[in-house]
Amino acid sequence: SQTIHQWPATLVQPVGSPLSLECTVEGTSNPNLYWYRQAAGRGLQLLFYSVGIGQISSEVPQNLSASRPQDRQFILSSKKLLLSDSGFYLCAWSVRGEAFFGQGTRLTVV
Amino acid sequence: GESVGLHLPTLSVQEGDNSIINCAYSNSASDYFIWYKQESGKGPQFIIDIRSNMDKRQGQRVTVLLNKTVKHLSLQIAATQPGDSAVYFCAEINQAGTALIFGKGTTLSVSS
Repeated sequence: SQTIHQWPATLVQPVGSPLSLECTVEGTSNPNLYWYRQAAGRGLQLLFYSVGIGQISSEVPQNLSASRPQDRQFILSSKKLLLSDSGFYLCAWSVRGEAFFGQGTRLTVV
Repeated sequence: GESVGLHLPTLSVQEGDNSIINCAYSNSASDYFIWYKQESGKGPQFIIDIRSNMDKRQGQRVTVLLNKTVKHLSLQIAATQPGDSAVYFCAEINQAGTALIFGKGTTLSVSS
């Protein structure tokens, strides 16, 4: 069966510090991978998606970047965090449309 | 542009009632829609999906209705239970066909 691992579950980082969130998928090959952000009380905003290794599409301009060094690994990064980067970050994978989500990372920038 | 939205941010019902959560989408080219349930502090979980060649699909206690004429999607939950309390999102495939675009969500509160 397919599983998705996302870590850490919670993270508190100071403004200006770097960020690296990692997501890995097991049990499937060549999935589409996604990073979403959910601000408190808001919907899910698509940040990045990837249809293959090294292929990253950005949906909104922001202080974040994404990379896919391996088929089932997706990384969300920032060189310098802003207060507005706080939120709930979700990694997801899909094959043939439906998306399956990780448990999310609660990021608080202080 | 692409956008998916929900008519009401909150919905409160009594246990045992039927719930109807609505969603309007703007991309008439979308051909795949999904409803997700998100409990507090967790990732969204798939509930039910529907393709544009259908207007109704039923699951266990849930029914999704699609009206392509007015670009409207609804989720009906029969005999709503306290465990159904969560935020519900509708989502559609983006124009590139590669990612799900989510609406803002409806918070369903079920009281006993």
